[in-house]
Amino acid sequence: RKEVEQDPGPFNVPEGATVAFNCTYSNSASQSFFWYRQDCRKEPKLLMSVYSSGNEDGRFTAQLNRASQYISLLIRDSKLSDSATYLCSITGGGNKLTFGTGTQLKVEL
Amino acid sequence: DGGITQSPKYLFRKEGQNVTLSCEQNLNHDAMYWYRQDPGQGLRLIYYSQIVNDFQKGDIAEGYSVSREKKESFPLTVTSAQKNPTAFYLCASTPRRSDNSPLHFGNGTRLTVT
Repeated sequence: RKEVEQDPGPFNVPEGATVAFNCTYSNSASQSFFWYRQDCRKEPKLLMSVYSSGNEDGRFTAQLNRASQYISLLIRDSKLSDSATYLCSITGGGNKLTFGTGTQLKVEL
Repeated sequence: DGGITQSPKYLFRKEGQNVTLSCEQNLNHDAMYWYRQDPGQGLRLIYYSQIVNDFQKGDIAEGYSVSREKKESFPLTVTSAQKNPTAFYLCASTPRRSDNSPLHFGNGTRLTVT
């Protein structure tokens, strides 16, 4: 099993839709969790941290499920500008930070 | 504004040549990292440095070398020994290696070797 796994997509959704991605991890000792957004041919940019209690920022909600070892990202009222690749990163034992391969989102008219 | 600057944005080299990618940060961060990104693959760690004059191999260090003579600078050399050097290279930093902070990324260098 990979340390961090994401469905590569693409997820094609209409504007205004709600979409959710998951990111599973294998190391139960993982400590910190983040979602990044990466636009085509650009660097990843931090979207939000994922806390045990969850985290909400406007239309974006991130949650952590330690029992099932995954984090999720929910985007409400999708905009065309949300089209991007969403990467998760997990810090596991020994402070090793591992990235998922990313989930591609395409928001369409 | 504080940030990480990578240069050049695009780099073309002939096979067999060494090439050095620049990474400079003015965030006063101790830890710096080099990642490589290939299509369909996650970011893979090449090297990291927790402090000046110290650096450690990541998961795919073969064919690469780094130096950390100054806190602000962490250049990466792609040597001719690297079998598949064409990739998108990302430099990143955190205040410290072990503080579980998110990475701050530079804007990347896209290297093409023919």
